Amino acid sequence: GQNIDQPTEMTATEGAIVQINCTYQTSGFNGLFWYQQHAGEAPTFLSYNVLDGLEEKGRFSSFLSRSKGYSYLLLKELQMKDSASYLCAVRVFTGGGNKLTFGTGTQLKVEL
Amino acid sequence: DAGITQSPRHKVTETGTPVTLRCHQTENHRYMYWYRQDPGHGLRLIHYSYGVKDTDKGEVSDGYSVSRSKTEDFLLTLESATSSQTSVYFCAISESSWSTSSYNEQFFGPGTRLTVL
Repeated sequence: GQNIDQPTEMTATEGAIVQINCTYQTSGFNGLFWYQQHAGEAPTFLSYNVLDGLEEKGRFSSFLSRSKGYSYLLLKELQMKDSASYLCAVRVFTGGGNKLTFGTGTQLKVEL
Repeated sequence: DAGITQSPRHKVTETGTPVTLRCHQTENHRYMYWYRQDPGHGLRLIHYSYGVKDTDKGEVSDGYSVSRSKTEDFLLTLESATSSQTSVYFCAISESSWSTSSYNEQFFGPGTRLTVL
């Protein structure tokens, strides 16, 4: 099976930078996704990594180290609207195709 | 935004009654998924479909069945609802599950909040 760990909660200040970590143990790794989910809403796609390194997308960046089973999501210039849950998800290749396994999410609270 | 709708959006039912949730997409994507989301557990895959009439189980499939008779519709049925199936149910779609040359990210529907009394 797959095991994905991420912190349950984090708090940060508006305008600051926050890093949300995700560690995973899996076989058949085929990419790692980050999703954002506001309360009462559906998850929305933020970023994808399949190769080692940093992917930058505006204020959001995501890093992957496959050898360490580690990823992080970096949010810069935090805004109040960034208060949400951030979900790390690992895609694994199985006989039935690629499936996602999600971590339990990190609830980020951005304060003034 | 991907064209995914779920119906109903909210439902309250009693233990032992059958319930069917519907997911409808207008994107002509091949893959469709049903998840449930519960506090402390995150999103867990119930069933998924890789084509019309082609479905497979996820990690929490007991007590659920699915059907896909058309590309655009994926139905989730609780044959006899139990209180442990009270949850928020999300449908998701993705264009292809086999390619590693693109993201093939999953797009999620708005969710259905189901309460079983």
